[in-house]
Amino acid sequence: NAGVTQTPKFRILKIGQSMTLQCTQDMNHNYMYWYRQDPGMGLKLIYYSVGAGITDKGEVPNGYNVSRSTTEDFPLRLELAAPSQTSVYFCASKSLRTSYGYTFGSGTRLTVV
Amino acid sequence: ELKVEQNPLFLSMQEGKNYTIYCNYSTTSDRLYWYRQDPGKSLESLFVLLSNGAVKQEGRLMASLDTKARLSTLHITAAVHDLSATYFCAVDPPNTNAGKSTFGDGTTLTVKP
Repeated sequence: NAGVTQTPKFRILKIGQSMTLQCTQDMNHNYMYWYRQDPGMGLKLIYYSVGAGITDKGEVPNGYNVSRSTTEDFPLRLELAAPSQTSVYFCASKSLRTSYGYTFGSGTRLTVV
Repeated sequence: ELKVEQNPLFLSMQEGKNYTIYCNYSTTSDRLYWYRQDPGKSLESLFVLLSNGAVKQEGRLMASLDTKARLSTLHITAAVHDLSATYFCAVDPPNTNAGKSTFGDGTTLTVKP
């Protein structure tokens, strides 16, 4: 099992550009999440999904969009990138049928210049 | 709004010593997690605590939960250098089927010889 796979691992964007961060999980988890981690801080929830076709905003959704067309995939779209979006982005999944925590992807380090 | 506070935020300790990291949260919850993050890496699930009085142990780490005090502790016994990392606690809000966790800001532990 690959677990949660994120791509790309690193990216530099110019202000105003757009990009999609990819996230795929192969554990058949219904629940998926996008978090951002700023230096020296905890994780802030951007968007989450409880199943295919269902998404909802987290704590810091402005400037981002998501979709969930399949159980496996949960891409995060950044429109009109701003320096404030410089961060490390983590995708995670969870099954509430078990008592495990999140399974995280390896992260995407994004710099907006 | 659920708030999660960890202390201390930074901890430098000698090998062989014991110490405790504290995690306080602001509202009732039935799930609390501890994660470990190595520098530049993703987060790894350590413990899930599901009920008042729950205690989990692995190696030199022991986590406990007091839901009445809204407090979890992560106790480190006879620290070794390999335990150097950032430790996060995370809490799920009550009465939710989305499993979306709120994270503390993390405790960065440095174990010195």
